[in-house]
Amino acid sequence: AQKITQTQPGMFVQEKEAVTLDCTYDTSDPSYGLFWYKQPSSGEMIFLIYQGSYDQQNATEGRYSLNFQKARKSANLVISASQLGDSAMYFCAMREGGGRRALTFGSGTRLQVQP
Amino acid sequence: GAVVSQHPSRVICKSGTSVKIECRSLDFQATTMFWYRQFPKQSLMLMATSNEGSKATYEQGVEKDKFLINHASLTLSTLTVTSAHPEDSSFYICSAGDRDPNEKLFFGSGTQLSVL
Repeated sequence: AQKITQTQPGMFVQEKEAVTLDCTYDTSDPSYGLFWYKQPSSGEMIFLIYQGSYDQQNATEGRYSLNFQKARKSANLVISASQLGDSAMYFCAMREGGGRRALTFGSGTRLQVQP
Repeated sequence: GAVVSQHPSRVICKSGTSVKIECRSLDFQATTMFWYRQFPKQSLMLMATSNEGSKATYEQGVEKDKFLINHASLTLSTLTVTSAHPEDSSFYICSAGDRDPNEKLFFGSGTQLSVL
């Protein structure tokens, strides 16, 4: 079974509008972390936002916010006031358990911001 | 913030040769580093976990004799693709975290390997 599911292969958004990128996850571990990364065409992975499973509030980082619905096992990324530079691949990822463990990535969503 | 440096960014080699990729944590010590592989338009797939001072842990299906990993110090891990073949052509990217296990992982800029 997929541990991280991103159901939107591609998304379009108008500049200055908000967009939500979907992510659902599957784990039986009570301790886990959820991450979102941006990958532009250059290939680098840029960290955007992190949500811990025990965090009571939704994480926010500037124009990025994470809509954490624990019961639904969803961790959607909301980008407000989209900019042309936001066009990129976006990956949702999860780390299960404590300690220094690797991330498991979803299949990604390609976001294109239109002027 | 923490920085992970990866070199080279791009390498083209002939089939049968070996290629070494370096991953360095520049301003923190990383006892664990991770190596991922990404094919075009696909997600990142974990290849192995590199542990400082001990053997790497490889994911199922990854040939340890093909992809040699060495983590000789707290700031350097290397991935060597031995006897490279065209099917090894891919984007390889490393990641590392600092001592807080709950913090985010930082990624190198990746290496695009093309085997002719």
